[in-house]
Amino acid sequence: GAGVSQSPSNKVTEKGKDVELRCDPISGHTALYWYRQSLGQGLEFLIYFQGNSAPDKSGLPSDRFSAERTGGSVSTLTIQRTQQEDSAVYLCASSLVWGGGEQYFGPGTRLTVT
Amino acid sequence: QKEVEQDPGPLSVPEGAIVSLNCTYSNSAFQYFMWYRQYSRKGPELLMYTYSSGNKEDGRFTAQVDKSSKYISLFIRDSQPSDSATYLCAMSARDGQNFVFGPGTRLSVLP
Repeated sequence: GAGVSQSPSNKVTEKGKDVELRCDPISGHTALYWYRQSLGQGLEFLIYFQGNSAPDKSGLPSDRFSAERTGGSVSTLTIQRTQQEDSAVYLCASSLVWGGGEQYFGPGTRLTVT
Repeated sequence: QKEVEQDPGPLSVPEGAIVSLNCTYSNSAFQYFMWYRQYSRKGPELLMYTYSSGNKEDGRFTAQVDKSSKYISLFIRDSQPSDSATYLCAMSARDGQNFVFGPGTRLSVLP
């Protein structure tokens, strides 16, 4: 079907609130990745899913960040008690298989914490 | 020292020019090298994917990898205004795993 979609496209939230970001990967893609992109910085890898499991959570910046994936499809990234330094573009990507090369990126969610 | 370095630009060139974009890296384990193009407020789009040293050509784009110098390049021939975007290099030690991205170079091709 269509490419990777993410929602919302923009999110403004107050410091201390929780936010939930959603990623809908390309149908049939088993691997899903979350990245964070800050101004002037490269993409920072956060977490990947192989199916519904996330073998390596060490890229998450703090324990305020969590992610889950259900049904091998949609994934949500949750940030609790948001801080101003969480402001960034959160990008999701999917690939056909884990370790299979090309990742297709979504348009991102621009998060602003005031 | 960052693991992957890239000149942030901005780089401005006239239409039709040959553009050279470069990245240096420090981890000799990197074997897979990618170039992405990212338009404003869009996700990155894969342009080139290469393994080990050598050249790879695709249309107006040529990717070059020199592992001995830990240096990769992307050349764009006959540049067009539509090439104006941020170009990100990325690399990994294993295929499809643990990509490390450069900060990107912003390119403007002027008509």
